[in-house]
Amino acid sequence: AQSVTQPDARVTVSEGASLQLRCKYSYSGTPYLFWYVQYQRQGLQLLLKYYSGDPVVQGVNGFEAEFSKSDSSFHLRKASVHWSDSAVYFCAASRQGGSAKLIFGEGTKLTVSS
Amino acid sequence: NAGVIQTPRHKVTGKGQEATLWCEPISGHSAVFWYRQTIVQGLEFLTYFRNQAPIDDSGMPKERFSAQMPNQSHSTLKIQSTQPQDSAVYLCASSRQGTGQLYFGEGSKLTVL
Repeated sequence: AQSVTQPDARVTVSEGASLQLRCKYSYSGTPYLFWYVQYQRQGLQLLLKYYSGDPVVQGVNGFEAEFSKSDSSFHLRKASVHWSDSAVYFCAASRQGGSAKLIFGEGTKLTVSS
Repeated sequence: NAGVIQTPRHKVTGKGQEATLWCEPISGHSAVFWYRQTIVQGLEFLTYFRNQAPIDDSGMPKERFSAQMPNQSHSTLKIQSTQPQDSAVYLCASSRQGTGQLYFGEGSKLTVL
């Protein structure tokens, strides 16, 4: 069955520190991959997406993610976090050429401490 | 572009009553999706439409839940005989054909007392 797993429910980092949020997927073939962010009491906003090609994709606000086919992963990174990055981050996948529905991971709640 | 518009933002119903949630997708987007978000279950896919036709309703509870898209400018999610376990934030999203990228509304928070 298709699935997306985010093993870390909560992550706390200090402002200015680097960040990595983990995401693993289980799909036949290579899916489309996404990271979304949800700020408190708001809808989900797209941070970045991967369709094919260069495994490192750049997103908004200094975020990037790296696709690894061998590891079935799509980890999110940021070199230096800001307090405003505190939010819930969701990794998601959809099957290429199939149903367009996104399957989401459980989400990781990021807290940036000052 | 106004983004995906969902109404109402908050709805409180009594157990056994009906709830209807509305979604206006972004103009020009051909696909509309419904998700349910709870603390326990996270983000659950319910159903989606493409060019107003139902494509995948594999996440819809078979009883009491129904979704329609009567025209390209709005979709509805109806829950009959609401139960406390239906309490959740219901998210609508739309996308352009072939992109896979969803644009989400701010959600409708349903509380069933």
